[in-house]
Amino acid sequence: GDSVTQMEGPVTLSEEAFLTINCTYTATGYPSLFWYVQYPGEGLQLLLKATKADDKGSNKGFEATYRKETTSFHLEKGSVQVSDSAVYFCALSERSGGSYIPTFGRGTSLIVHP
Amino acid sequence: KAGVTQTPRYLIKTRGQQVTLSCSPISGHRSVSWYQQTPGQGLQFLFEYFSETQRNKGNFPGRFSGRQFSNSRSEMNVSTLELGDSALYLCASSQGQGPPDTQYFGPGTRLTVL
Repeated sequence: GDSVTQMEGPVTLSEEAFLTINCTYTATGYPSLFWYVQYPGEGLQLLLKATKADDKGSNKGFEATYRKETTSFHLEKGSVQVSDSAVYFCALSERSGGSYIPTFGRGTSLIVHP
Repeated sequence: KAGVTQTPRYLIKTRGQQVTLSCSPISGHRSVSWYQQTPGQGLQFLFEYFSETQRNKGNFPGRFSGRQFSNSRSEMNVSTLELGDSALYLCASSQGQGPPDTQYFGPGTRLTVL
């Protein structure tokens, strides 16, 4: 079945550092790929998405490129802020029984220090 | 547009009781999905309802059930509560058609079973 593997956290960075959170996936077809973010005490929010190979999703300075050849969708940001501290979830979605229920990774906690 | 709302936000119950959680989706969304989030298991899919019909189901015991009303609002019920049911229960709504079918999450209901 489908699966998503994310790097274990927590990832601890200083403000303005470069961020990479690795995500690889296994899927039977051609899934859509997502990054969601969860701030403390809140639900998940969509951060960015990509629907086909070589697509780049971007939002709030975060970027991820759909790499079919390496089955990866790594999240990057050039300069993190304290407010980026949160848990980040990589997810894929493809059709199953009429639905597009996403499969989530375990989440990666990011802690940014001033 | 108003986001996904969940009520109540916090619940404390004792073993053996039952509980009902409520979710109001974004206006126009026909699909509502429920997830259980725990530190040990991460995000686990419970079930999805689309136009009042259960369209997809995760691997949870029959004590977990749900329904959807004609206005797309959804309820989830857990009977005979166990300590292990303590978790954050997230509801997500979407158009229900894809790809991609982006899910929009509510803030969750924090259930504690004593």
